[in-house]
Amino acid sequence: DQQVKQNSPSLSVQEGRISILNCDYTNSMFDYFLWYKKYPAEGPTFLISISSIKDKNEDGRFTVFLNKSAKHLSLHIVPSQPGDSAVYFCAAREAGNMLTFGGGTRLMVKP
Amino acid sequence: DVKVTQSSRYLVKRTGEKVFLECVQDMDHENMFWYRQDPGLGLRLIYFSYDVKMKEKGDIPEGYSVSREKKERFSLILESASTNQTSMYLCASRPPGLTSTDTQYFGPGTRLTVL
Repeated sequence: DQQVKQNSPSLSVQEGRISILNCDYTNSMFDYFLWYKKYPAEGPTFLISISSIKDKNEDGRFTVFLNKSAKHLSLHIVPSQPGDSAVYFCAAREAGNMLTFGGGTRLMVKP
Repeated sequence: DVKVTQSSRYLVKRTGEKVFLECVQDMDHENMFWYRQDPGLGLRLIYFSYDVKMKEKGDIPEGYSVSREKKERFSLILESASTNQTSMYLCASRPPGLTSTDTQYFGPGTRLTVL
């Protein structure tokens, strides 16, 4: 049973518009959440993270929102650029334990 | 910059063969991990190691073993490869301790095909 789910396997967005990638989790003990980006033929790279004591974290064009009551987090990319086209994984950590990854969402940003 | 390298980018093996996947990191990290990535399933942890000669099972260790003889090197071994082990294998390392960031640094991956 997947504790971290990304229900949209793919997302297509026009360049300049907002991309919203969603992630749901079931384990209320997760205390830290991360987003990784993966280009083809490369390993995932860390993008942005958020602690469970916060509800928002922003880094340039990337913002992660956390709704603990709904057990939901989202990654917003504004404005989207063609170079953002990649697979995005959300991951969650229960204190002292390993990361649990979602299934990934493939984002395609069209010029 | 942290560098994690994996010995092969692409590998094709036959059913029943013994397969070695090597991973090397250059940042003196204690923690190293092996994942496999499959469509729709994300990254699933196979094994991890928090020190030399130490290993712990992850979520899907069956059919795999690991070796950590040196701090910088973490090997994944498929004792007898099977077709359901066809996958992308990713190695990662992480600095020691329980930090709030828990950022892992990944290698480029090895695409293994078992025929």
